Amino acid sequence: EADIYQTPRYLVIGTGKKITLECSQTMGHDKMYWYQQDPGMELHLIHYSYGVNSTEKGDLSSESTVSRIRTEHFPLTLESARPSHTSQYLCASSDFGTATGELFFGEGSRLTVL
Amino acid sequence: AQSVTQPDIHITVSEGASLELRCNYSYGATPYLFWYVQSPGQGLQLLLKYFSGDTLVQGIKGFEAEFKRSQSSFNLRKPSVHWSDAAEYFCAVGATGTASKLTFGTGTRLQVTL
Repeated sequence: EADIYQTPRYLVIGTGKKITLECSQTMGHDKMYWYQQDPGMELHLIHYSYGVNSTEKGDLSSESTVSRIRTEHFPLTLESARPSHTSQYLCASSDFGTATGELFFGEGSRLTVL
Repeated sequence: AQSVTQPDIHITVSEGASLELRCNYSYGATPYLFWYVQSPGQGLQLLLKYFSGDTLVQGIKGFEAEFKRSQSSFNLRKPSVHWSDAAEYFCAVGATGTASKLTFGTGTRLQVTL
């Protein structure tokens, strides 16, 4: 069973608010990822990290930012939310050493911006 | 860059019937291939993966998939579907050396009728 947790699961906020989506994993994985998922669309990689103090932008441009100060924690922040940010955000992690490619996903954070 | 196509957006099968979900990929070398399942309100869970070797791979929950290089396909099959298999299924491809940075298809939603 994967041990990766996302909070909040659901968030409804107004335009212009700052939000942080939390993601924590207890597996000691070096690699962590944020994917954006819209209905009927593929998952898009928006951020990833290969370890502490390492962050990279993914394939889909995003106005969000991430940080990786601790191995187990990979929060995503939107400084000023807009309705276009409404989506589901999935956090994932994997073991750098094995290169198996298996991602362990959290249950997702569904964001609605009014 | 790699890409994945899942031609079927929605499939409905009767419980006990066989299932095949299609996946076609585009990648210049031998890819890493994955099938993930997402139940409603949940994150994604790995069903099976192909890296090399035997082209028929077995996964969890009675699923299997066959890698066909000549057709650039990695179709998912199950001989007898259970009602609990109703979910969204995602095919994904990883480039050699960066297997944990995956490209996902748009998903196929499976409905199971009793």
